[in-house]
Amino acid sequence: DVKVTQSSRYLVKRTGEKVFLECVQDMDHENMFWYRQDPGLGLRLIYFSYDVKMKEKGDIPEGYSVSREKKERFSLILESASTNQTSMYLCASRNTGTGGYEQYFGPGTRLTVT
Amino acid sequence: SQKIEQNSEALNIQEGKTATLTCNYTNYSPAYLQWYRQDPGRGPVFLLLIRENEKEKRKERLKVTFDTTLKQSLFHITASQPADSATYLCAPRRWNNRLAFGKGNQVVVIP
Repeated sequence: DVKVTQSSRYLVKRTGEKVFLECVQDMDHENMFWYRQDPGLGLRLIYFSYDVKMKEKGDIPEGYSVSREKKERFSLILESASTNQTSMYLCASRNTGTGGYEQYFGPGTRLTVT
Repeated sequence: SQKIEQNSEALNIQEGKTATLTCNYTNYSPAYLQWYRQDPGRGPVFLLLIRENEKEKRKERLKVTFDTTLKQSLFHITASQPADSATYLCAPRRWNNRLAFGKGNQVVVIP
């Protein structure tokens, strides 16, 4: 089974702090994604990485950056956390080789910025 | 602009009945559409993918239809069970090979 893990289930940070959210997948998937999910807004794509050191902006990249130095790990960075970044953050991976294109999600990190 | 519509009201259904959820999309011509299940506080879990040239797909008690003329997908859970209670997300493929997720439709199966 594909496993996607995220470094924390719950995180509380202060406004202005630099925040790192880590995601690791164990199935050698090329693609990885970071989403945020808010009530009434659904899942929105922040950043997408199609391979190591490759990244593309999603729909809402402002205030975020990402890093993918190794295939299995995709990090989301909040350079200076703000209260409007309080949200559920979900990481996902996808293997383009299977042709199925389904995404495998981690358990999520609920981030609160105070 | 591209839109995905799922019913925002929860669907309450008696155990054993068939639950039917609707996903409507506009300004898309997705090559495929996926359905995911999400439990509270958890990440979505992939259920089914249906391609534009497929009318219907089944997996155990789940059935998905895809009508590219109506721009609509229907998701059915037959013989529903309390364990089927969750939120179900529709996700058509976008032009750049990413997914666009609907806001989800909650299903509550009453014993």
